[in-house]
Amino acid sequence: GQQVMQIPQYQHVQEGEDFTTYCNSSTTLSNIQWYKQRPGGHPVFLIQLVKSGEVKKQKRLTFQFGEAKKNSSLHITATQTTDVGTYFCAGSPNAGNNRKLIWGLGTSLAVNP
Amino acid sequence: KAGVTQTPRYLIKTRGQQVTLSCSPISGHRSVSWYQQTPGQGLQFLFEYFSETQRNKGNFPGRFSGRQFSNSRSEMNVSTLELGDSALYLCASSLALRSTDTQYFGPGTRLTVL
Repeated sequence: GQQVMQIPQYQHVQEGEDFTTYCNSSTTLSNIQWYKQRPGGHPVFLIQLVKSGEVKKQKRLTFQFGEAKKNSSLHITATQTTDVGTYFCAGSPNAGNNRKLIWGLGTSLAVNP
Repeated sequence: KAGVTQTPRYLIKTRGQQVTLSCSPISGHRSVSWYQQTPGQGLQFLFEYFSETQRNKGNFPGRFSGRQFSNSRSEMNVSTLELGDSALYLCASSLALRSTDTQYFGPGTRLTVL
């Protein structure tokens, strides 16, 4: 079936280091969304990418959508303790019922002060 | 605008019982999706309701069911509870104007099955 693989599953960094999480889909996506879930909280929408090769920035966060629209990445520059949480990607397949989001398992980020 | 609300926030049940969870979407949102979240399993999609009709369904057994009312509020029911049903149950609402819209999540209901 359609899958979105997200790696790594966990990442420990020192404050100030960079962090990247990757999403790879088994099928072409019409768009991809990124969410952040703080410990004890619920997922909160960060951004949606739609165009092939699209790059969007939010302060220290950079989001990319691959040229083939099958992969995406989230890069955080100079992590801070406020970045702690689990980052999820969720993609909408091109074919079939494209209203259904396919979720990655998330990358849990821990930041040591 | 008020956010997505879920009740109850915490619930303890025993095996074999049934449970009903409630979700009130953001005003104007017509789509409500339900997810099960367990450690290491990410967000597992249960189902989506739009205009009182189930539009999408995940791979969960028939013990999991839901419905949506005319005011877009939604309920999820789990019958014959099993220990493995212990999880955080999240609902998310969206405008459902385009193919995929931003999902706005509620705080979740933490279900513990003893």
